[in-house]
Amino acid sequence: NAGVMQNPRHLVRRRGQEARLRCSPMKGHSHVYWYRQLPEEGLKFMVYLQKENIIDESGMPKERFSAEFPKEGPSILRIQQVVRGDSAAYFCASSSNTGELFFGEGSRLTVL
Amino acid sequence: AQSVTQLGSHVSVSEGALVLLRCNYSSSVPPYLFWYVQYPNQGLQLLLKYTSAATLVKGINGFEAEFKKSETSFHLTKPSAHMSDAAEYFCAVSAGQGAQKLVFGQGTRLTINP
Repeated sequence: NAGVMQNPRHLVRRRGQEARLRCSPMKGHSHVYWYRQLPEEGLKFMVYLQKENIIDESGMPKERFSAEFPKEGPSILRIQQVVRGDSAAYFCASSSNTGELFFGEGSRLTVL
Repeated sequence: AQSVTQLGSHVSVSEGALVLLRCNYSSSVPPYLFWYVQYPNQGLQLLLKYTSAATLVKGINGFEAEFKKSETSFHLTKPSAHMSDAAEYFCAVSAGQGAQKLVFGQGTRLTINP
C-alpha cells in the first residue's frame, strides 16, 4: 500500500513564476491536508480538503495561493507569482474519515 | 483553540542517556496529542498518540509519553538514547476525534553525542 505521494520533491522557481505541488493521498483516504514548514519552524496548517470541497482554508494566505482536490487525480497546491518568502517545505497529509494523518515526504520549493 | 509549546529548540544527550523532550499544550476541549519525528529531508512519522485512553502512551522505537492534565503536558521520553534517534521531534494537538487538523509546536532538534 503506497503512502502519500508528493511531487515534485524539489522545485526551483524564479520570482513571479508559478509553482504547482501535487499530492496523491493513500489509497482509501478521502481527506487531504496541506502544511507549510518554513526553515527552523514547525509545520503550519494551510488547508483541509475533501474530494471537490475545501473544508477549512483558514491557514491559506489570502492572495496567490489556492488548492484543489478534484474528483479524479491528485490534490494540487498552486502558488502564483512566487516570492522568496514562499521558499519552504510543503507537506501533504491524508487520512480516512476517523483515522490518523499520514504525511508525505514533502515538496521543497526554492524561489530564486 | 489549540496551541503547543515545545520547551527547548535543541536538546543534546549522550548515547545511552535519558531523552526528555518537553511539550505543553493549551486546548479549550479535551485534546488529542501526538508526537512526530522528522528525519532530514523526510516527512513526518507518527511516534505515538494520546486519544483520551491510557495516560501513559507507548510508541515506536522505545519512546513513550505521559499525558498530565493538571500540568497540561505531554512530555516525550526514552530511557536510553541511540544514535539513530537524532532527528527533529514535533508535538501536536488536535481538538479530538473528527477534528483532524493538527496544530504543531516549533519542534525540538535532538542531537545524540557518542
